[in-house]
Formats: sequence, structure tokens, C-alpha cells
Amino acid sequence: SQKIEQNSEALNIQEGKTATLTCNYTNYSPAYLQWYRQDPGRGPVFLLLIRENEKEKRKERLKVTFDTTLKQSLFHITASQPADSATYLCALGGQTGANNLFFGTGTRLTVIP
Amino acid sequence: EAQVTQNPRYLITVTGKKLTVTCSQNMNHEYMSWYRQDPGLGLRQIYYSMNVEVTDKGDVPEGYKVSRKEKRNFPLILESPSPNQTSLYFCASSLAGGLKTQYFGPGTRLLVL
Repeated sequence: SQKIEQNSEALNIQEGKTATLTCNYTNYSPAYLQWYRQDPGRGPVFLLLIRENEKEKRKERLKVTFDTTLKQSLFHITASQPADSATYLCALGGQTGANNLFFGTGTRLTVIP
Repeated sequence: EAQVTQNPRYLITVTGKKLTVTCSQNMNHEYMSWYRQDPGLGLRQIYYSMNVEVTDKGDVPEGYKVSRKEKRNFPLILESPSPNQTSLYFCASSLAGGLKTQYFGPGTRLLVL
């Protein structure tokens, strides 16, 4: 079955720096990959989607890369702010014959003022 | 406002007492899904529904039932809850097919004694 790993459970970073989160996967061939943000006690909120034929996607201070050869996605938050502190989840989807999204366990990001 | 609602938000019950968690969405989405979230295990899909009267098992369906009699509603039923079903539950919806960007409800925190 598919396996999705997100680097370190927790990541602490100084305000203003770039945070980089990693999502690695095996036993799956996603047509796309999504990133979500989850605040404590709340449901995940969709941030970005990148398709298998796209190398990079940007939205404001967010950037996602997708390398299907390495089976890896990187999620960057530039000029990080304390308000960016949250858990970030990656999710894979779109494999032929599969109707679902598969989520990683998440990385808890803390931006220190 | 486009949203997914869940009720109740918090529930304490005892082993064996049947319960239902309701989920409703107002976005006319075909696809609806239930997840449970546990520390270290991330979001795991319980059941999903591609449309009215069409449901299928996710990764962890044991001990749960669902029904989809109307497009907007997708209740989760625990016929005989057990302590290992203590968890945080999320309902989500999305358009069918395509990119499955999930819209999550606020979550239901369940404690089974």
C-alpha cells in the first residue's frame, strides 16, 4: 500500500526565514499532490495543488515543487511569520483506479518571533 | 457561506451505545468522505461516497457505517462504539472526479469510555 512520509514531526524556524517542508511517498503514482494547513482543533484547509506534469507552483509566499522521479514534494513558505505556525499536510491523489486522497501525518511548523 | 457542518462537535459516550455524527454540505458536492485523525497516524479515511446511494470503504471502515440518501448529508454511524474509536473525526466534501480538493468540516471529538 502507499506510504507517505513528511519530514520531522515538528519544525521550528525564525521569523523571516524560509520554511521548507518535505513530503516523500512510495508505492503510489499520483496524478497530483495537494498541501493543506491545519490549525489546532480545526479541519484542514486547502492551500495548493500541483499536477504530475508541473515542476513548481506558487501562491503569494508559498511555493510547491513536485519531483515524480524522486517521489518527493517540497513546500516552501518564504518570509515566514508567526501566523504561519500550524501543521501542514500533504495529500496524494489521482492514481488510476483510485478515488481517494491519501494524507501524510503532517509537519508541525512553529515560527519563532 | 460555503461550508461543511458537523454535529455534535464534542461527544462523550460509553461502550456499546449507538451514536450518529451528522455531516452536511451546501456546495452541491458529489463526493463526501469521513476521516479519523489520531496522533502519529494522521488522517485516515473511513468511508467515502461518490454520489447518492453510492458508498465505499476507505482504509479503516471496521466498526463504522454510513449512508447517503441525500446529496448534502453523509452521516457516520457507530453501532457499538468501543474505546479504540476515541478520535477526532472530520467530514469532507469535494466535486466528484478531477482534483478532489477537500473541504473539511470543523471536526467532532469523540471519547468512548
